[in-house]
Amino acid sequence: TQLLEQSPQFLSIQEGENLTVYCNSSSVFSSLQWYRQEPGEGPVLLVTVVTGGEVKKLKRLTFQFGDARKDSSLHITAAQPGDTGLYLCAGAEYNTDKLIFGTGTRLQVFP
Amino acid sequence: EAQVTQNPRYLITVTGKKLTVTCSQNMNHEYMSWYRQDPGLGLRQIYYSMNVEVTDKGDVPEGYKVSRKEKRNFPLILESPSPNQTSLYFCASSFRRAGQRNEQYFGPGTRLTVT
Repeated sequence: TQLLEQSPQFLSIQEGENLTVYCNSSSVFSSLQWYRQEPGEGPVLLVTVVTGGEVKKLKRLTFQFGDARKDSSLHITAAQPGDTGLYLCAGAEYNTDKLIFGTGTRLQVFP
Repeated sequence: EAQVTQNPRYLITVTGKKLTVTCSQNMNHEYMSWYRQDPGLGLRQIYYSMNVEVTDKGDVPEGYKVSRKEKRNFPLILESPSPNQTSLYFCASSFRRAGQRNEQYFGPGTRLTVT
């Protein structure tokens, strides 16, 4: 069974700080997705990265896919309370596109 | 509005009492899936369906059944629920066409407690 490890598991920071969340695996994926889940809701897709080394920006969020397509990172600049939530990465298997979800990073941003 | 709906949102039941959680999507997606989310274990796939009348086991299918008689609906059935099926359940759907990346649209979740 493929595994996607996310680190850190928990992150509690003050508004305005920067942070990086990591998503690592020993497996190679055809693409990697990032989702954010807020309490009482289902995960919502933020971005999909497809090419090794690809960088995508979504306002203050920067996503990068590793060159070897085994890992990814999410960097948030100047975090805000609205960024609070559970961040999940998900790798898509080759041929099947089945998603393997990471264990999640719970982020709390205090005003 | 494009969405995935699940019902009920909350359910408390007793061991052995059959239950069904409904899931419906209005986006004409071919692919539908059920996940359970447990602390420290992330999202694990229970069953999935590539299209009408086509279903297959995910990673944790034991104790669950599904059916896909219509494209929009994908109910999850627990014939004899047990306490280890207490969890947060999500239904999700996506397109399955060339160039699509199985980007999932999730329902709001069903919190199930089996006593």
